[in-house]
Amino acid sequence: AQSVTQLGSHVSVSEGALVLLRCNYSSSVPPYLFWYVQYPNQGLQLLLKYTSAATLVKGINGFEAEFKKSETSFHLTKPSAHMSDAAEYFCAVSENAGGTSYGKLTFGQGTILTVHP
Amino acid sequence: EADIYQTPRYLVIGTGKKITLECSQTMGHDKMYWYQQDPGMELHLIHYSYGVNSTEKGDLSSESTVSRIRTEHFPLTLESARPSHTSQYLCASSGTSGYNEQFFGPGTRLTVL
Repeated sequence: AQSVTQLGSHVSVSEGALVLLRCNYSSSVPPYLFWYVQYPNQGLQLLLKYTSAATLVKGINGFEAEFKKSETSFHLTKPSAHMSDAAEYFCAVSENAGGTSYGKLTFGQGTILTVHP
Repeated sequence: EADIYQTPRYLVIGTGKKITLECSQTMGHDKMYWYQQDPGMELHLIHYSYGVNSTEKGDLSSESTVSRIRTEHFPLTLESARPSHTSQYLCASSGTSGYNEQFFGPGTRLTVL
């Protein structure tokens, strides 16, 4: 079984400040991990993905995430927030072919990021 | 351009009506999914398909049904809409990369009066 927990349903930062969105996962087999962003009244857009090639993953719009197996974490960061980053962010986990949930994504509950001028 | 499409984007309908939400993708993906999402909430998988003539129910029980007659098309039908069906419905697809990354359509926001 797989699950995802996003710590903090709302995060508020000032423009130019560091963005840190937290994600912890559980999986019975080595996972694939994803961060998606959702703007109002739109679908989800893939920001970045971890597929076991490198623990530090760089994505679009200046975001990156680090896979830490010992902490079962995959936190999303951006050094300097921009007003356009305001959106909802979802962490998701997928099991590879060895898992019982192969082919499915399990999503966290989402974190709404607000950016203040 | 390869993409995934959903129509309509917005639908307001009365109780008891039959509705079909359309989802099509031009990426040649074999796997397709339907999620239900209430405002500000997480996504719940309600249906998925791993290929033509293959459909399965997801983790969240739903009164809707789906069909997969063509690879690119995965419509969702509600035989008799109720106010409890008011939600956003997101369609997604994934291919053969092995990583299961999913690509999402823009969603259909359904309101049942």
